[in-house]
Amino acid sequence: QKEVEQNSGPLSVPEGAIASLNCTYSDRGSQSFFWYRQYSGKSPELIMFIYSNGDKEDGRFTAQLNKASQYVSLLIRDSQPSDSATYLCAARLSGSARQLTFGSGTQLTVLP
Amino acid sequence: DAGVIQSPRHEVTEMGQEVTLRCKPISGHDYLFWYRQTMMRGLELLIYFNNNVPIDDSGMPEDRFSAKMPNASFSTLKIQPSEPRDSAVYFCASSTWENSYEQYFGPGTRLTVT
Repeated sequence: QKEVEQNSGPLSVPEGAIASLNCTYSDRGSQSFFWYRQYSGKSPELIMFIYSNGDKEDGRFTAQLNKASQYVSLLIRDSQPSDSATYLCAARLSGSARQLTFGSGTQLTVLP
Repeated sequence: DAGVIQSPRHEVTEMGQEVTLRCKPISGHDYLFWYRQTMMRGLELLIYFNNNVPIDDSGMPEDRFSAKMPNASFSTLKIQPSEPRDSAVYFCASSTWENSYEQYFGPGTRLTVT
């Protein structure tokens, strides 16, 4: 079992809809979770991080963490074609000092 | 700030040749990470440094891979001898101690070994 798992997709949503991206992790001791966005041919960039159970909102993005169920999600409201990218979920596993473990990514396409 | 700089951006080499990838982190960043990304395995951490000292190299696939950081502004990842399965995009990232989770990635080096 991979330590951080994501549905590889692809996921397609119409413009203006809510895109929901999900991630599960196997290490119950993991404390910190991150969402990176990677446009095709580009490098990953951090868009959200979450440490506590519940929701964290930043503009059109909401990260949700449920430690009991060991899942993290990212909601993108009012999706735009410019949101089309691969979204990488990452976790700082227990025992890890600074390194992150990444999921394989979910490819999102927002259709105009 | 110019961000993380990597060179070369593309490298094509023949199996058995030595390959050296270079990285200049953002000035003032304490941490430097080397990643490899492939379709099959995703984004994998190879090694990371703190204040020029290697902290964890457990992700380095085998002895053919080596990394150095002789000073705060330069790091290299060397593969010798290279093999076709080393073909991937290699990213360098850096971060500060205070915000180590916010890793700034370089543009990557696309390596093709034929």
